[in-house]
Amino acid sequence: SQQGEEDPQALSIQEGENATMNCSYKTSINNLQWYRQNSGRGLVHLILIRSNEREKHSGRLRVTLDTSKKSSSLLITASRAADTASYFCATGGLPDKLIFGTGTRLQVFP
Amino acid sequence: NAGVTQTPKFQVLKTGQSMTLQCAQDMNHEYMSWYRQDPGMGLRLIHYSVGAGITDQGEVPNGYNVSRSTTEDFPLRLLSAAPSQTSVYFCASNPSPGTGGFVAEAFFGQGTRLTVV
Repeated sequence: SQQGEEDPQALSIQEGENATMNCSYKTSINNLQWYRQNSGRGLVHLILIRSNEREKHSGRLRVTLDTSKKSSSLLITASRAADTASYFCATGGLPDKLIFGTGTRLQVFP
Repeated sequence: NAGVTQTPKFQVLKTGQSMTLQCAQDMNHEYMSWYRQDPGMGLRLIHYSVGAGITDQGEVPNGYNVSRSTTEDFPLRLLSAAPSQTSVYFCASNPSPGTGGFVAEAFFGQGTRLTVV
C-alpha cells in the first residue's frame, strides 16, 4: 500500500499565485523527499527534508515537516506555467527504498 | 553523464509473451529500483537492489523477475505478459545511504510505456 498520500489530488491556479500541496504518511521515516514529474517524463528530485528538520527552502520551494502529525507540505511561491506538473512525496523509512505517494497534479494557467 | 537510461521507450506485447526492460546507470550507484506507474496509483515498487548480486521484492513483484550481475545494469523481466501489466515502468538509482542510513535522492530514467494486448 502507498506510504504517502498527497492532497489535493489536483490543483489549478493562475501564474503568480502560490501553490500548496500536502503529504501524509503512515509510518516513521528517516527523511521525506519531493519529486516533480512533467507529463510523459521521469521524476526529478526537488528537495529532501530529514526527520530532525522542520522546514527547508530551495529557491521558490518551501517544505515543512511535522513528524508528530506525519505530514509534510510543499509550497511553490510565485508559480509559473512551467511549474505545471505532478508532484509526489516519497518517504525513506528504510535505508534501501523509497515509497511514493499518489501525487498532486498542478496546473498553472498563464 | 547519461544518468539512468531505459530501453525501449515504448513496447507492445501480446498476452503470454516475455520480454526484458533494460535499465543502465553510469553514476556508480549501489541502489537501483523498478517502479510501475498506473493512473491514480502513484509509483509502486516492483523490485529493488542494494548492490550487485543482491535483489529483493517490493510491493508488487508478481510476474516480474530481476537480476543484478553488475553495478550498472538492472534488467526487469516479464515472464508471461498479462494485460494487468500494461503500465509505465520507471527505473531509478540512488547512492548508498549516507551517515545515519538516510536513503538518498533517486535519479529516474525516462520510462518505458508498455501495453499488453
